[in-house]
Order: sequence, then structure tokens, then C-alpha cells
Amino acid sequence: QKEVEQNSGPLSVPEGAIASLNCTYSDRGSQSFFWYRQYSGKSPELIMSIYSNGDKEDGRFTAQLNKASQYVSLLIRDSQPSDSATYLCAVYSGAGSYQLTFGKGTKLSVIP
Amino acid sequence: ETGVTQSPTHLIKTRGQQVTLRCSSQSGHNTVSWYQQALGQGPQFIFQYYREEENGRGNFPPRFSGLQFPNYSSELNVNALELDDSALYLCASSDDESPLHFGNGTRLTVT
Repeated sequence: QKEVEQNSGPLSVPEGAIASLNCTYSDRGSQSFFWYRQYSGKSPELIMSIYSNGDKEDGRFTAQLNKASQYVSLLIRDSQPSDSATYLCAVYSGAGSYQLTFGKGTKLSVIP
Repeated sequence: ETGVTQSPTHLIKTRGQQVTLRCSSQSGHNTVSWYQQALGQGPQFIFQYYREEENGRGNFPPRFSGLQFPNYSSELNVNALELDDSALYLCASSDDESPLHFGNGTRLTVT
């Protein structure tokens, strides 16, 4: 059973701080990793993808991947109240049909 | 704007009824996937269609079925609705292994 684990939160950070969101996965053969942001009542929106070990930066977002530790994280710098949402980690195992396994998500609250 | 459109936006059905949800894929995408997201959970993979054939299925019973049409649009059908089928149903289209972008979803409530 492929599993993706996230701390459900809520994670509260003050405006302007760095928010750190973490995710672990069970399938060592996983190849692709994604972070989705989901506002309440809305559908998930893809914000980051990462495929190789190391860091990938896009604006205020940095994704970090460590395949040896089966760990992926998302850092949000200069957090804004508009970043308040649930962040979903998703993993593609690379086998068979292109299906993603999602974690349950971490709820982030950025306090003004 | 992902280019994936779903209809209807909201739907209320009674236990035991049948429902059909629709999805229009982004232009040029030949693969469509359906996910179910219960409240407080992450999306769960239902199945995927590639060029009108089902090519992957998650842990969902046979009363969940689908179709993909020659224009790559898709339907999700659920028979004999149960209360636990209440969820947000998400459709995503893709081309080969491009990242999945979801449509706005259909919120199904079963009473």
C-alpha cells in the first residue's frame, strides 16, 4: 500500500515568516513529486513539481526532495495571509497508469 | 485557467440513485483521470482513461464506471449511490506524464 504522510496541522505562522511543510512517502520507487494548494471549497491547484534530489525554487516557493530519506518539503518564504490554505503533497510512483497518491494535506494559517 | 471544465458544479442526490458527472479535457490532452476527495481527506484515485480505454483503476467498486469519448471528454457514472459517496469529484487531463491540473470539481451530496 503506497502511502503519503503529512502533518494535518493546523500550522500557524505570522505574516512574513517562513512556512515549512513536510511530507514522507512509502514507495521508494517514486519518481515525481508535487505540491498542490487548495483553498476551502475549491479544487487543488498545482504550485510545484520536483523530480530530482535537491531544491527547486519558484518565486516564494522552494520544494526540497531527498529520495534517500523518502522526504519532500515545501518552504514558503515571506508568508502572506493569502497563502492560508491546505497544502497537499502528491507522489507518482512511475508504475502503470499515471496515478497520484495524495497525503491528507496540511492546513496552513498565516496570521496578519 | 487549466482548460479542464466539469459539470455540474453542485449536485444533490438521494441514496440509491444514479449520477453522471462530466468533464471536458484540455485541448490536446488524451488522458483523463478522476479523483474523489472526501471532506478532510486528500484526493483518491478512481480511474484513468487513455484514448477511450480504462488503463488504471483505484480501490473503488464496480458501481463507479466511466467513459472517454473520441474528443477525449469523459463521464463518471456512479450507480446505487451511498451516503459515503458524498464528496468533491475531480477530473484532470494530461498528455503523457505532464503534471495533472484539475478542473473546478463537482460537489456531490447524497442524502
